[in-house]
Formats: sequence, structure tokens, C-alpha cells
Amino acid sequence: DQQVKQNSPSLSVQEGRISILNCDYTNSMFDYFLWYKKYPAEGPTFLISISSIKDKNEDGRFTVFLNKSAKHLSLHIVPSQPGDSAVYFCAGLYNNNDMRFGAGTRLTVKP
Amino acid sequence: DTAVSQTPKYLVTQMGNDKSIKCEQNLGHDTMYWYKQDSKKFLKIMFSYNNKELIINETVPNRFSPKSPDKAHLNLHINSLELGDSAVYFCASSQDGWAGEKLFFGSGTQLSVL
Repeated sequence: DQQVKQNSPSLSVQEGRISILNCDYTNSMFDYFLWYKKYPAEGPTFLISISSIKDKNEDGRFTVFLNKSAKHLSLHIVPSQPGDSAVYFCAGLYNNNDMRFGAGTRLTVKP
Repeated sequence: DTAVSQTPKYLVTQMGNDKSIKCEQNLGHDTMYWYKQDSKKFLKIMFSYNNKELIINETVPNRFSPKSPDKAHLNLHINSLELGDSAVYFCASSQDGWAGEKLFFGSGTQLSVL
């Protein structure tokens, strides 16, 4: 069962505009949600996280919003840069060790 | 220095063979993991080891066995390889006790079973 879903396999935006990556989950036991970024031929790298008791966390150009009632979170990147082009994975964490990932969304930022 | 390193990067082998993928982390983390990225690009956890104890074992065939000689290493042994084992395998580590802990991933091993 896929507890974390990223329904958009790809997203293309213009440089300087906002990128919004979406993620839905089914497991209400997740304590934290995390976003990872992955370049080709590399492992995923951590980007930003949010506790399940918060609704927003911001770090520079990256902001994650959590809507628990809708079991939905989103990652906003403003302004988008060509170097942001990568695959973004959403993940939910529970029991401090069990992390479930979505299938990823490929973001392309065009110059 | 690479924080989490896994070897080999590519592994091409015949069905029925036995192979191993090695993983080492120099971050001093307490927990290490193996993830499999399947054909649909989902990253699925296979195993995690904390202080040499297996604490998560998803429904993975027993042909797969993790071996942890020490806290810094978690190797993955696969016996009697099958075509469906072809995937990218990622090793990862994390520091216990940090809520919302981050995983640090290796660069992946592309396994192709012919």
C-alpha cells in the first residue's frame, strides 16, 4: 500500500516563478514529513521537514505547508531556479525509523 | 569525504547468481537502511539496523539478507537473483534520537539481472 502519493510525475515552471509540488498521504500516524531532492545518478538529499503539529515551515526559498485535515502537504519554491531541476520525493516518518516515500515529482525549471 | 558510500555503483549479473552490495557511513549514525527503488520509482524500505539489531523488515524475500559487521557498515546479500530484483538499491543512515530525523543516502547501486 502506498501511504504517500505524489500524483504529478512531472512539473515544468519558468525560472523566477513559483514551483508547487504536492503530496498526499493516508497514514495519520506520521509524526513528520520530509522532502528530499534527487539529482540523476545521486542519492536523495534532505531538503526540508515539518512536524505533524505544525502547518508551515520555511527555509529560505523553500516552504512546506501541511494540511492535516486534508492529509495533504505541499512544497513551495520561490523563486524557482534552474538548479532546482531535480526529482523531489515526499516522505512521511513514524516510529522514528519508518519512513515512507512517494514516487517523486520531476521538476524542470526553464531559464 | 563521502558520508554514505555504497559499492558497486553498477552491478550486472545473471539470474541465479549470488551478489553483495556494500555500504559504509562515516557519520557516526546509529541506524542504517536499505531501500529499493522499484520500476514505478517508489523508494521502499527493505531493512534497517540499529546497533546491530534488525528493527524493520518489510515483506522482503529471504533471499535478501542484511549483514552488519559494525555500526558503520550494512551490506546487502542477495542469493539466487531473479529478474524482478533489477532495481536501484539505496543505502542510507540516520542518527537516532532526532525527531524528524533526516536520512543520508548513498548514491545508489543499479542492479541489472539478465
